[in-house]
Amino acid sequence: DAGVIQSPRHEVTEMGQEVTLRCKPISGHDYLFWYRQTMMRGLELLIYFNNNVPIDDSGMPEDRFSAKMPNASFSTLKIQPSEPRDSAVYFCASSLSDLIMNTEAFFGQGTRLTVV
Amino acid sequence: DAKTTQPPSMDCAEGRAANLPCNHSTISGNEYVYWYRQIHSQGPQYIIHGLKNNETNEMASLIITEDRKSSTLILPHATLRDTAVYYCIVRVANDMRFGAGTRLTVKP
Repeated sequence: DAGVIQSPRHEVTEMGQEVTLRCKPISGHDYLFWYRQTMMRGLELLIYFNNNVPIDDSGMPEDRFSAKMPNASFSTLKIQPSEPRDSAVYFCASSLSDLIMNTEAFFGQGTRLTVV
Repeated sequence: DAKTTQPPSMDCAEGRAANLPCNHSTISGNEYVYWYRQIHSQGPQYIIHGLKNNETNEMASLIITEDRKSSTLILPHATLRDTAVYYCIVRVANDMRFGAGTRLTVKP
């Protein structure tokens, strides 16, 4: 398996524009996570899905952020409108659940977003 | 709320063992202790996890105290490539939240 695949790797956009980040989890994994990393706030959990259903979105910073998982092999994180303070590295991760919850999560290489 | 406390930074000499501590005094009975590391700006990488017993794999060893309120990650022979930020996480189900971690610098 190629691992968790994120696209694009780098994105530069102007303030006010819509930005869509994409993630393809590892095949067969039923959990998908979106994280944001900045120097100031570290690695923050934004939202996670189980079997394509959002379980906890309490980390989503505001209504400008939305995430979807239309099927088991694809997820998007959208920011509309984008602001300079959204500049960060966004990571997607996936994992496989089991009955005793001792599974590891695999991370993608991240998308570095710069909003100017 | 990451529920763990780690020193912000540590140094280690190349070839020596690196011992990274973590306090998780509020851990509950069904929470596992996980360790991840992040090298430069790459995505975090899983290292090891445990519940009560000590664990060892090809990368590291995990020592968990009997009361489970603290743990130590041991890299037995640190190399320069082990320079990274190491995160200790206590986790129930699949809610996985990271703290600030420990920045380990391995020096020649």
